[in-house]
Amino acid sequence: DAGVIQSPRHEVTEMGQEVTLRCKPISGHNSLFWYRQTMMRGLELLIYFNNNVPIDDSGMPEDRFSAKMPNASFSTLKIQPSEPRDSAVYFCASSAQASGNTIYFGEGSWLTVV
Amino acid sequence: RKEVEQDPGPFNVPEGATVAFNCTYSNSASQSFFWYRQDCRKEPKLLMSVYSSGNEDGRFTAQLNRASQYISLLIRDSKLSDSATYLCVVNFYNQGGKLIFGQGTELSVKP
Repeated sequence: DAGVIQSPRHEVTEMGQEVTLRCKPISGHNSLFWYRQTMMRGLELLIYFNNNVPIDDSGMPEDRFSAKMPNASFSTLKIQPSEPRDSAVYFCASSAQASGNTIYFGEGSWLTVV
Repeated sequence: RKEVEQDPGPFNVPEGATVAFNCTYSNSASQSFFWYRQDCRKEPKLLMSVYSSGNEDGRFTAQLNRASQYISLLIRDSKLSDSATYLCVVNFYNQGGKLIFGQGTELSVKP
């Protein structure tokens, strides 16, 4: 079975540009999570969805960040405009109720904003 | 106080050693607990769930102490391949079920 699929795997962009990260959760999973990881702050939960509905977005750093989940098989995390401090690894993860809340991560999107 | 706290390490141990990590959490309503392992430049992967009565998987033993709000991971007979960062994860049920990760504890096993 395919795992969580993220794209792009790596992105280098200039400050001020819009960045869109994409995620396809594991088929049948009804919860989707966006995490950000940096050396300084570790793994931070940005937002998560249950059945395509955002449940908690309190981790979204500011208005420059937005996330959508238009259907059960696709989600986006958008940063507009991007800043150098947004450089991090962004992980998407998904889980199913039946799995006892075990979450499965994608390989991450490595973002560098210069 | 952070919601989930771990000693960041690094823990440097020789092969064959026994090493233990602790993790404390702030929310007494938490119901689910996990240990994840993360290799350098890779995504976190589930190592094991933590059950109330404690559980063992080969060389790995996880314990939960609800009264003191901490969980632990014990690794016996450590191997070079155990070198990684170990992340403690807590499900905050009364916050919509969100999963919060600790900062991670780095383990380096030397020959």
